[in-house]
Amino acid sequence: SQQGEEDPQALSIQEGENATMNCSYKTSINNLQWYRQNSGRGLVHLILIRSNEREKHSGRLRVTLDTSKKSSSLLITASRAADTASYFCATGGATNKLIFGTGTLLAVQP
Amino acid sequence: ETGVTQTPRHLVMGMTNKKSLKCEQHLGHNAMYWYKQSAKKPLELMFVYNFKEQTENNSVPSRFSPECPNSSHLFLHLHTLQPEDSALYLCASSQDLGRNGGELFFGEGSRLTVL
Repeated sequence: SQQGEEDPQALSIQEGENATMNCSYKTSINNLQWYRQNSGRGLVHLILIRSNEREKHSGRLRVTLDTSKKSSSLLITASRAADTASYFCATGGATNKLIFGTGTLLAVQP
Repeated sequence: ETGVTQTPRHLVMGMTNKKSLKCEQHLGHNAMYWYKQSAKKPLELMFVYNFKEQTENNSVPSRFSPECPNSSHLFLHLHTLQPEDSALYLCASSQDLGRNGGELFFGEGSRLTVL
């Protein structure tokens, strides 16, 4: 299975701090994506990193990918209360059939 | 507004009822998906359609019956469900199913409760 597994399962930080979430997967991938989900809502795409890329930035988000370790990390800098949500990694293989992990629940305290 | 609209947002049904979930995308995408999200479990891919043809059925019980009349609409017909089928059902679309396929665009989900 290509299923991603996020670590930690839950993370609580203060506003202004950085939040780091990790994702590990099992097989080779073409790309890895990160999504965010507010409670009971749909998922929103944050960033996609391809297997030949090592790092990508988007605003306050920084994603790294280490294909040798089959792992990725999502860093949110200068967190805000509005960043409180669940964050999921998803791995894409030969087709766009994404396999999602169980997610990290991030709580940012104001 | 994500471009993917799901109705109804909430549905309560008995085990003998027949109901349908509807998804519509306004993004001009060719691929559409149904995912199931249960508490404390990863999102489960249920069905994939590409150019309205089913390309994936992830061993979903026959009490879930998908229908894709065109690339913009996707339905999930429900009948004789079980309480364990209670979950958030998410519809998504993407440009295509290509190897370097891009992001999925999700609807807000239909929260299903089976009594």
